Amino acid sequence: SSELTQDPAVSVALGQTVRITCQGDSLRSYYASWYQQKPGQAPVLVIYGKNNRPSGIPDRFSGSSSGNTASLTITGAQAEDEADYYCNSRDSSGNHPWVFGGGTKLTVL
Amino acid sequence: EVQLVESGGGLVKPGGSLRLSCAASGFTFSSYSMNWVRQAPGKGLEWVSSISSSSSYIYYADSVKGRFTISRDNAKNSLYLQMNSLRAEDTAVYYCARDRLGESLDYWGQGTLVTVSS
Repeated sequence: SSELTQDPAVSVALGQTVRITCQGDSLRSYYASWYQQKPGQAPVLVIYGKNNRPSGIPDRFSGSSSGNTASLTITGAQAEDEADYYCNSRDSSGNHPWVFGGGTKLTVL
Repeated sequence: EVQLVESGGGLVKPGGSLRLSCAASGFTFSSYSMNWVRQAPGKGLEWVSSISSSSSYIYYADSVKGRFTISRDNAKNSLYLQMNSLRAEDTAVYYCARDRLGESLDYWGQGTLVTVSS
């Protein structure tokens, strides 16, 4: 099956912009989705498709993609954005529907 | 309001079995593919299994193939995961998640903890 690779940890100063990346061959064929997970809580979808936000997700969250890399950008990071972020996409190998990245822990300083 | 509520988790011995349920409400359950995703303690998310809206297509991760069985009852708006031959490495929080048109997993339940230990 395909794999998605994320940096394990990223930090950002309060109010600054941070980009979290996700790399994998499946991203050449499919868009990534991004999920935010806070401790003890279920994941929450924050970005899907080309750059779509579900209702209730602040517009400081945005997504982009180029080649085999997808990115989640938080413009003006807030303290409440500190969380784990996971990317996922369809699996281009065709063996399984979905594949997840290993997750990135975002620390807001 | 879309709601997914998992149940059935608990402590089970290695080699034992457990059946998880996910009760869905707030949407037309029979129109959506559904998934199970798990998260071992302190680890990342791992896709486990998927089932299409009419149960025509079923997929499993290699790590659970042959041991787990996904099913659904559209009349009861419910998703299930029968887990047999459980191993310590199956210990995780198990989430059910709705498949948004093959583009994302847009709604998740709160999860149910499965602990496999002697």
